[in-house]
Amino acid sequence: AQSVTQLGSHVSVSEGALVLLRCNYSSSVPPYLFWYVQYPNQGLQLLLKYTSAATLVKGINGFEAEFKKSETSFHLTKPSAHMSDAAEYFCAVRFYGNNRLAFGKGNQVVVIP
Amino acid sequence: SQTIHQWPATLVQPVGSPLSLECTVEGTSNPNLYWYRQAAGRGLQLLFYSIGIGQISSEVPQNLSASRPQDRQFILSSKKLLLSDSGFYLCAWSVQGSNTGELFFGEGSRLTVL
Repeated sequence: AQSVTQLGSHVSVSEGALVLLRCNYSSSVPPYLFWYVQYPNQGLQLLLKYTSAATLVKGINGFEAEFKKSETSFHLTKPSAHMSDAAEYFCAVRFYGNNRLAFGKGNQVVVIP
Repeated sequence: SQTIHQWPATLVQPVGSPLSLECTVEGTSNPNLYWYRQAAGRGLQLLFYSIGIGQISSEVPQNLSASRPQDRQFILSSKKLLLSDSGFYLCAWSVQGSNTGELFFGEGSRLTVL
């Protein structure tokens, strides 16, 4: 079955430290991949997307993600966390042959001063 | 540019009362439209999906229904709310025939059923 896995529902990171959120998917065919961010009581906003161009994708707010086909992963990183990065982050995948996005369960990021 | 709006933003309703949440997209034609729900501590649950006027697919059985009376209008309804209907409801749209399937989300509607 096609699935999207985000481990660790809550992630704590110190201000200024590396942010690393992991996303793995189950498919042998490279899909389209997305990271969305959701601030409290708001809708989801696109951070970045992979659509079969460069494997290292840069997004808004200093985030980037790298598509690794061999590891079926699309991990999200930011070198230095800021207090404003506190939010929930969702990985989403459009699998080949499916016209809808599948979402991971999300990571709630807490930034510690 | 395209925009999507949902209303009301916040709603508190008693058990057994009706519900109507509305979503409108502007700046595009014939979008795919979606209703998602976020319950506390749970991820995004796709409730309904529409590819055109009057064409609704239901993803999960529940006491909610959806309608698409106009091309860019999507309505989520219930005749009698349950406590378990509480949550954050998100409307989204995507380009019809899009390769990537990228979704664009509204601001959300928080429903509390008491």
